[in-house]
Amino acid sequence: NAGVTQTPKFQVLKTGQSMTLQCAQDMNHEYMSWYRQDPGMGLRLIHYSVGAGITDQGEVPNGYNVSRSTTEDFPLRLLSAAPSQTSVYFCASSLSTGGPGNTIYFGEGSWLTVV
Amino acid sequence: GENVEQHPSTLSVQEGDSAVIKCTYSDSASNYFPWYKQELGKRPQLIIDIRSNVGEKKDQRIAVTLNKTAKHFSLHITETQPEDSAVYFCAASIRTGGSYIPTFGRGTSLIVHP
Repeated sequence: NAGVTQTPKFQVLKTGQSMTLQCAQDMNHEYMSWYRQDPGMGLRLIHYSVGAGITDQGEVPNGYNVSRSTTEDFPLRLLSAAPSQTSVYFCASSLSTGGPGNTIYFGEGSWLTVV
Repeated sequence: GENVEQHPSTLSVQEGDSAVIKCTYSDSASNYFPWYKQELGKRPQLIIDIRSNVGEKKDQRIAVTLNKTAKHFSLHITETQPEDSAVYFCAASIRTGGSYIPTFGRGTSLIVHP
């Protein structure tokens, strides 16, 4: 049981490049989400999914796309990287949405730098 | 305002002192309030949670209290130790579209001085 696995851990991109952050969980969780963490800004929700085939925008969705073709996988795509997207990205999952007992499990984080 | 507000943003205490972090939330239907701890360079991890039908919950040196009427909840750490130094996040489920989505406060950086 690996939990939430996200790759890569570190990435440097040039402005305008695209890339995909991979996220997979093996806990059969329905709810998956992506956050970005910047100093002093906490965990800001980018996109989330309440089940396979269903995705929705969070607080800061611009410049990012997601898809959820399977329960296990929830990749985050940066369409055209900008320096403002330099951040630490966390993928997370929980059994369902935010009711009692729905512990959120985070991946180890992906440090992305856009130059 | 924000759906979940957290204060203070930074808290500095001496080892052995108590620390209190407070959060308020906007959705009166929220029924689950977890707290996460994030050590430097690591992922956030759950340390304690409370459900809306409970006023207080303790786990050794940490406790969480909930006031549903006032829509606020707090994390209490007693006898702080240097290893308590971390960023702490509160969360509440906020109705977004057709679902209750976990929403985090901005975080509190706790520094415990030896």
